[in-house]
Amino acid sequence: DVKVTQSSRYLVKRTGEKVFLECVQDMDHENMFWYRQDPGLGLRLIYFSYDVKMKEKGDIPEGYSVSREKKERFSLILESASTNQTSMYLCASREQGFHTEAFFGQGTRLTVV
Amino acid sequence: GQQLNQSPQSMFIQEGEDVSMNCTSSSIFNTWLWYKQDPGEGPVLLIALYKAGELTSNGRLTAQFGITRKDSFLNISASIPSDVGIYFCAGQILNAGGTSYGKLTFGQGTILTVHP
Repeated sequence: DVKVTQSSRYLVKRTGEKVFLECVQDMDHENMFWYRQDPGLGLRLIYFSYDVKMKEKGDIPEGYSVSREKKERFSLILESASTNQTSMYLCASREQGFHTEAFFGQGTRLTVV
Repeated sequence: GQQLNQSPQSMFIQEGEDVSMNCTSSSIFNTWLWYKQDPGEGPVLLIALYKAGELTSNGRLTAQFGITRKDSFLNISASIPSDVGIYFCAGQILNAGGTSYGKLTFGQGTILTVHP
């Protein structure tokens, strides 16, 4: 079974804290993604990576950074958490190419207080 | 970024009814995917469409890739209580130069509630 694992299901952090969200995939996929999910807005792409140490901004990168030091791991970093970053965060991975599906982790619900 | 407009935003139906939802875009997509998200879980792929005009079924689900490549629909027949969840369309577009890194754009989601 393919697997994308996010390190936490629920997180509560204080405003101004540095927050790390970790994601690991066991499928040797080249591409990994971080989305945030908010009611009525669907999934919006924050950052993606198409190779180790390579990253590209998505549609809403402000306030976030990412790290991909190893192929299987993609980390999302909130340098200084703010209340408007309270959301559900979803990690996904996908094999390179067009006829491939994206596999998602179970999500991390982050609350910033 | 690219925009996908998904409708309806929510649906409340009786068990046994058929359901239809759709996505439209101002841009051409070369792949359309439909995902379902159960409460507390990540989205899971239901159906993938790769050719304009393609009509694909998966059990009670049927989806079509629009001829213009700017739209897609998903139908669910004879709904059952376990169909509840959020349904998302997603599309992939070629970047300039004909490359893509597997980036998917998602619709806003359709929340489906099925009453027994």
